[in-house]
Amino acid sequence: DAGITQSPRHKVTETGTPVTLRCHQTENHRYMYWYRQDPGHGLRLIHYSYGVKDTDKGEVSDGYSVSRSKTEDFLLTLESATSSQTSVYFCAISELGPRTGANVLTFGAGSRLTVL
Amino acid sequence: KQEVTQIPAALSVPEGENLVLNCSFTDSAIYNLQWFRQDPGKGLTSLLLIQSSQREQTSGRLNASLDKSSGRSTLYIAASQPGDSATYLCAVLITGGGNKLTFGTGTQLKVEL
Repeated sequence: DAGITQSPRHKVTETGTPVTLRCHQTENHRYMYWYRQDPGHGLRLIHYSYGVKDTDKGEVSDGYSVSRSKTEDFLLTLESATSSQTSVYFCAISELGPRTGANVLTFGAGSRLTVL
Repeated sequence: KQEVTQIPAALSVPEGENLVLNCSFTDSAIYNLQWFRQDPGKGLTSLLLIQSSQREQTSGRLNASLDKSSGRSTLYIAASQPGDSATYLCAVLITGGGNKLTFGTGTQLKVEL
């Protein structure tokens, strides 16, 4: 997990409340990603970023928004949390872009979110 | 839609055994395939990345092979140790799918003393 920090690591919240998860990197990598991991589904991409203020949707983006105002920070926001968003959220970074074919991903330790 | 399957879902072996983990994917138009290790309560650690033009990659006791035409990859672990116990996931990046890695659901490996 060197160079990439997620916060908070654990959070319990109630349905309808907003939640923001933070991913902070010290590697100065251009590419950042948010995934969620659920039993039976593996990891699924929520949003990703290829630079400051440049973001795009992933496979399961509904109900989530992201922002990247600085290279080192990538925020994931649940505008109004629902129970279906209970999951473990992982941030990942890569130095090279996906289309180079050589983009090794480094993952954070994860943020466990429980929505009651 | 790319689908990635890992069989078996769980595997238990005695220490010292050589073993093979399997990964299959349905769309052969890929940029690369990666193998990751995940320890309980932890994030994923990249083990090996094989680019589409490569056939295999090696790192220590690990060897990963890629056969694009058949949609298969294997991760070979030599002389397994209890410290190898973890969940192993493969993921593929397809050429026509934006920037999305598609993950398998993993093989949970336990190496027993």
